[in-house]
Amino acid sequence: DSGVTQTPKHLITATGQRVTLRCSPRSGDLSVYWYQQSLDQGLQFLIQYYNGEERAKGNILERFSAQQFPDLHSELNLSSLELGDSALYFCASSPHGLASEQYFGPGTRLTVT
Amino acid sequence: SQQGEEDPQALSIQEGENATMNCSYKTSINNLQWYRQNSGRGLVHLILIRSNEREKHSGRLRVTLDTSKKSSSLLITASRAADTASYFCATDNQAGTALIFGKGTTLSVSS
Repeated sequence: DSGVTQTPKHLITATGQRVTLRCSPRSGDLSVYWYQQSLDQGLQFLIQYYNGEERAKGNILERFSAQQFPDLHSELNLSSLELGDSALYFCASSPHGLASEQYFGPGTRLTVT
Repeated sequence: SQQGEEDPQALSIQEGENATMNCSYKTSINNLQWYRQNSGRGLVHLILIRSNEREKHSGRLRVTLDTSKKSSSLLITASRAADTASYFCATDNQAGTALIFGKGTTLSVSS
């Protein structure tokens, strides 16, 4: 158990809908990272927050947004969903704002029908 | 494109044999990490090697880093069935704020 929790575990929704994925980092970790994993694209870095502020942006679509709250939990919002958004979405956390060892949550499997 | 690329894509061995996976990357890095992922589950950090290190050990794992060739290798000695998983190398981006993962090597260890 990494100490990172993600909810929900599974999510099935229709195209055009909007969903919110939630992540609670390990106790004391200030950085939260979001990743998307699909068969064709592999594991893609989406975005990083450090202590409530956006720190780095990767291959995140404009339809996607994220935030980190004062209690350090984070949410990833996915809107106008398309079939191609079906994937595993992972959250990870680390103590600092650098790309040091990251602790991954179990993931949320999103299926868009 | 991916920063790190693992080779081979898939590897099948018998229990007790050694498994070697390679990773190549394109730009300068601060550190390189290896992660393991069991099917459909979260990634687990295995080892981190910094750019000024050449070799690192952790239990049955041995990682080497050759910055002149921009490559790294992960050696798992005396493999067990429980080592069956996908293995990813990850390098930091130029700003040092995120990890860029390769597509991974799928290791299958049969008893």
